[in-house]
Amino acid sequence: KNEVEQSPQNLTAQEGEFITINCSYSVGISALHWLQQHPGGGIVSLFMLSSGKKKHGRLIATINIQEKHSSLHITASHPRDSAVYICAVWGSGSRLTFGEGTQLTVNP
Amino acid sequence: DAGITQSPRYKITETGRQVTLMCHQTWSHSYMFWYRQDLGHGLRLIYYSAAADITDKGEVPDGYVVSRSKTENFPLTLESATRSQTSVYFCASSESIHGLYEQYFGPGTRLTVT
Repeated sequence: KNEVEQSPQNLTAQEGEFITINCSYSVGISALHWLQQHPGGGIVSLFMLSSGKKKHGRLIATINIQEKHSSLHITASHPRDSAVYICAVWGSGSRLTFGEGTQLTVNP
Repeated sequence: DAGITQSPRYKITETGRQVTLMCHQTWSHSYMFWYRQDLGHGLRLIYYSAAADITDKGEVPDGYVVSRSKTENFPLTLESATRSQTSVYFCASSESIHGLYEQYFGPGTRLTVT
C-alpha cells in the first residue's frame, strides 16, 4: 500500500461542476502539498497546508490531520482546469512523498 | 531568464551510454532535487542537495550520480544507462527543506533509453 493514496484516479466532469479530489496518507506528516501538472508536463504548486483550509480563487484545499485526509475542491470547473492533480506529503524523512495523481478532464 | 531550467528537454540514448541531465536555477535556492516520474508511480526522489558540495540519496538513487559544485547547477548523470531508466526527470528547487516551503519544478526532461 502506498503511503499516499489519491482518489479517484480519473475524473471526468462537465464545465461548471463542483469537483472533489481526495488524498489519504498513512504516515505522520508536517505538511501536505497539492500540485497541478499541466498537459504539457509542467508542475506547479497549488497549496501547502498543515492544518485547516486554504482558498485560492476557485480552488479550496482542506486537511484533517487526525483522519490523515485532505481534499482539493474546484468550484465552477472549467476546461482549463483539465490537468493531473498531485497530492504530496512531507513526513519524517525530510522529503516529499507523492501520490500517483488524479487525471481531471473537464468537458465544455 | 529567471527560474529553473532543464536541458535537454528530450533525449534518446542507447543502453550503456553515459548521459547527463542539466538543471539550472536563478533564485539561489539552497535546496535542489531530482525526481523521476513513471506510470504507476508518483514522483520519486533520486537525489537532493542542501547546498554546494552537499548531496544525499533519495528513494531511488541506484544508477545515478549527482554533483553540485555551484549553487545554481545540479546535474544528474546516468553512468551506464539502462532501459529501466527511461522516464521523465524533473529537477526542483526550494529555499528550505521545511515542509511548508514550496518546491519549484523545472519543465522536465523526457529520457528514452533504447
